Amino acid sequence: DIQMTQSPSSLSASVGDRVTITCRASQSIISFLNWYQQKPGKAPKVLIFAASSLQSGVPARFSGSGSGTDFTLTISSLQPEDSATYYCQQSYSTPPTFGQGTKVEIK
Amino acid sequence: QVQLQESGPGLVKPSETLSLTCRVSGGSVKTVTNYWSWIRQSPGKGLQWIGYIYYSGSTNYNPSLKSRVTISVDTSKNHFSLKLSSVTAADTAVYYCARVNTTMAANWFDPWGQGTLVTVSS
Repeated sequence: DIQMTQSPSSLSASVGDRVTITCRASQSIISFLNWYQQKPGKAPKVLIFAASSLQSGVPARFSGSGSGTDFTLTISSLQPEDSATYYCQQSYSTPPTFGQGTKVEIK
Repeated sequence: QVQLQESGPGLVKPSETLSLTCRVSGGSVKTVTNYWSWIRQSPGKGLQWIGYIYYSGSTNYNPSLKSRVTISVDTSKNHFSLKLSSVTAADTAVYYCARVNTTMAANWFDPWGQGTLVTVSS
């Protein structure tokens, strides 16, 4: 299985800050990388697919980049409603696997 | 828009079979570009993909669960189902169903059902 490693595991930032979360795959996954946001008690919701494609309806402050083994999710200006846990997921090979999550808190 | 809803027992005894159904509304399971998947989430193992099914009945399972998993689809009822046999406490988790969207360059899970907590306990 391809291992997905996220960093940091958690972070605390202020409203308006630029936030970056990284995800590293144990082997190349080209651009088969998705990002999800999960709020407590809710199902994950896709933000970015194919490494950099913004899902319809997702605010433009979210962006994704990277290819191969290293990827980033950026929130350009953190908002209070962005408090959540973020997961990366590779869809390059079966089984699809997820990172362990990054919890984002608002200061 | 497509919505998914899980249903099934919230409590299952050890060694028994966990059975869940995912009802699809606002769309059909018989779509060429979609698969239908089960995913679970537990504190100890995070998010774990269980498997998926195509409307034709073709399946693909996580090798770590393959010996105990069966996913089926009923196109007449527009739903798909999960059976996990010989459960233990380690199978306690929130179980989600989700649609798999596929393109040449990507596939991703969207939308997801709200999730249902299944506890394995005597």
